[in-house]
Amino acid sequence: NAGVTQTPKFQVLKTGQSMTLQCAQDMNHNSMYWYRQDPGMGLRLIYYSASEGTTDKGEVPNGYNVSRLNKREFSLRLESAAPSQTSVYFCASTEGGVDGYTFGSGTRLTVV
Amino acid sequence: AQSVSQHNHHVILSEAASLELGCNYSYGGTVNLFWYVQYPGQHLQLLLKYFSGDPLVKGIKGFEAEFIKSKFSFNLRKPSVQWSDTAEYFCAVTFSGGYQKVTFGIGTKLQVIP
Repeated sequence: NAGVTQTPKFQVLKTGQSMTLQCAQDMNHNSMYWYRQDPGMGLRLIYYSASEGTTDKGEVPNGYNVSRLNKREFSLRLESAAPSQTSVYFCASTEGGVDGYTFGSGTRLTVV
Repeated sequence: AQSVSQHNHHVILSEAASLELGCNYSYGGTVNLFWYVQYPGQHLQLLLKYFSGDPLVKGIKGFEAEFIKSKFSFNLRKPSVQWSDTAEYFCAVTFSGGYQKVTFGIGTKLQVIP
């Protein structure tokens, strides 16, 4: 049971570089999410996709873009990385809000 | 604005001590409530959830939480903690009309001393 798979697990970028974080789930969930986790700030929602073909901004969307490629995959792109985007990024999915989320193992991103 | 507050940011307990972590939310409508745990270096895992029925909810690893609607609270409890409970604990809430979006508290780091 893979659940939610995120790649890569670690990444170091230089300021201004771009990259895409990949997320895939094998539970046939409709909804997928990207969060960032920073010390003392908990988890903050970047973008989410309530269903295939839709995406919406969360609390902190600036500097990010997303693509819901199909029902399984939801990617997060940083077009021009900034040091403020140094964080741990978590992808999550759920079938419905009452079920709670299943999280991926996270991507630790450092922007220098 | 809808929000979730966790008042204890860092808690240190000795093994066998009792635990209670506070969680409050600001919203007068229907909510679904969750507690997640994050062990060091790992992702978040669901501990327990409440969406209706008995306000006392039992989760995994001996944890329980009580929903008190009049106090807008959903506190997490465990009668006797173990060293392996050292982790960060997050309260989370979905608010009616936004059922697919979860709002997290900032987390409480629990350190259990052997």
